[in-house]
Amino acid sequence: SYELTQPPSVSVSPGQTARITCSGDALPKQYAYWYQQKPGQAPVLVIYKDSERPSGIPERFSGSSSGTTVTLTISGVQAEDEADYYCQSADSSATYLFGGGTKLTVL
Amino acid sequence: QVQLQESGPGLVKPSETLSLTCAVSGYSISSGYYWGWIRQPPGKGLEWIGSIYHSGSTYYNPSLKSRVTISVDTSKNQFSLKLSSVTAADTAVYYCARDPRPYFDYWGQGTLVTVSS
Repeated sequence: SYELTQPPSVSVSPGQTARITCSGDALPKQYAYWYQQKPGQAPVLVIYKDSERPSGIPERFSGSSSGTTVTLTISGVQAEDEADYYCQSADSSATYLFGGGTKLTVL
Repeated sequence: QVQLQESGPGLVKPSETLSLTCAVSGYSISSGYYWGWIRQPPGKGLEWIGSIYHSGSTYYNPSLKSRVTISVDTSKNQFSLKLSSVTAADTAVYYCARDPRPYFDYWGQGTLVTVSS
């Protein structure tokens, strides 16, 4: 079955750039979406359609796509960016899939 | 501003049916969009359960389809989830969200449902 694969964890120091990847065979044909989830809170959409940023999301959040991998990039990471990040897409039958999540630690 | 609020029992017995409702404010369900349910077991990742349009058209996760029913009540501006024959594996925080297809832009705060006797 179709899966989205993310690294379990990524660590960066404040001010550095964090890159979180998500791999899946359908990603060349389907858009990817990214959510940020802080402890005890609901997920928040931070990127849609691979690289679009919803209103209210800081410019340091960006997304890109290349082949079967999409990447969420957070430039100039701040302590408040520490959270779990999930990628999400859909397969050809319109079944929505989430990646396993990546825990971003700000050192 | 679109707001969603889940409600329902926090404890369900094994083999019984889990029932939750999502009340929507700030937007009329009849105006469009799909509306979905997502769950997250404690300490684990997110899983899409299914989505519904105001007309009643539904899409379900194939892994749960045999046990899931999602319905909509446009007069009350709310939609509901029923999950039958629950087990401990269905213990999770259940979220409702607006679904512009195929993603979720507004989420409820979530409600924890525990399956236990």
